[in-house]
Amino acid sequence: KQEVTQIPAALSVPEGENLVLNCSFTDSAIYNLQWFRQDPGKGLTSLLLIQSSQREQTSGRLNASLDKSSGRSTLYIAASQPGDSATYLCAVRGNTGKLIFGQGTTLQVKP
Amino acid sequence: EAGVAQSPRYKIIEKRQSVAFWCNPISGHATLYWYQQILGQGPKLLIQFQNNGVVDDSQLPKDRFSAERLKGVDSTLKIQPAKLEDSAVYLCASSWREGPDEQFFGPGTRLTVL
Repeated sequence: KQEVTQIPAALSVPEGENLVLNCSFTDSAIYNLQWFRQDPGKGLTSLLLIQSSQREQTSGRLNASLDKSSGRSTLYIAASQPGDSATYLCAVRGNTGKLIFGQGTTLQVKP
Repeated sequence: EAGVAQSPRYKIIEKRQSVAFWCNPISGHATLYWYQQILGQGPKLLIQFQNNGVVDDSQLPKDRFSAERLKGVDSTLKIQPAKLEDSAVYLCASSWREGPDEQFFGPGTRLTVL
């Protein structure tokens, strides 16, 4: 049974810092891995999707890496801003499309 | 392109009452998902439809939850009777098809059971 774990559960950093969010999963047989952002009271916004054959994806200040063999992914946020404050969710996708989510990391970036 | 629509956005009911949520997926998307997100946790899949057929409902509490997707477009999720532990955000998502296609999420319905 696939399990996804995110560490840390919460993180508070001053504005401008670079930071790394971690995600681990127990079964390496995945189609892809996706990072989402969730603002309070809102739905999920997709940030980056990494196919199982890829090692990383970049979008602006965000970079996500995938090491399928070790069951790990990281989301790197460069030069953090207060607007980056949100909960970040990692999810892995199996062959039916079902997403298995981690519990999320709540990020606060202080001005 | 319009996104996934859900209604209502918020609902407060007392335990043992019934409630229904509605989802309209992105036009043309064949696959529709309902997720339950309890506060402080990641979303958990309740049910997955491919057109109007059920693909996966293994985590749906079938004694109280039901869902349908008539004509393979809109979907409704019902809880009857509700329990305190059903308080959560119910998220609907859709994708072009099964498998690795990206899912697009609606804003969710926040349910509070008193």
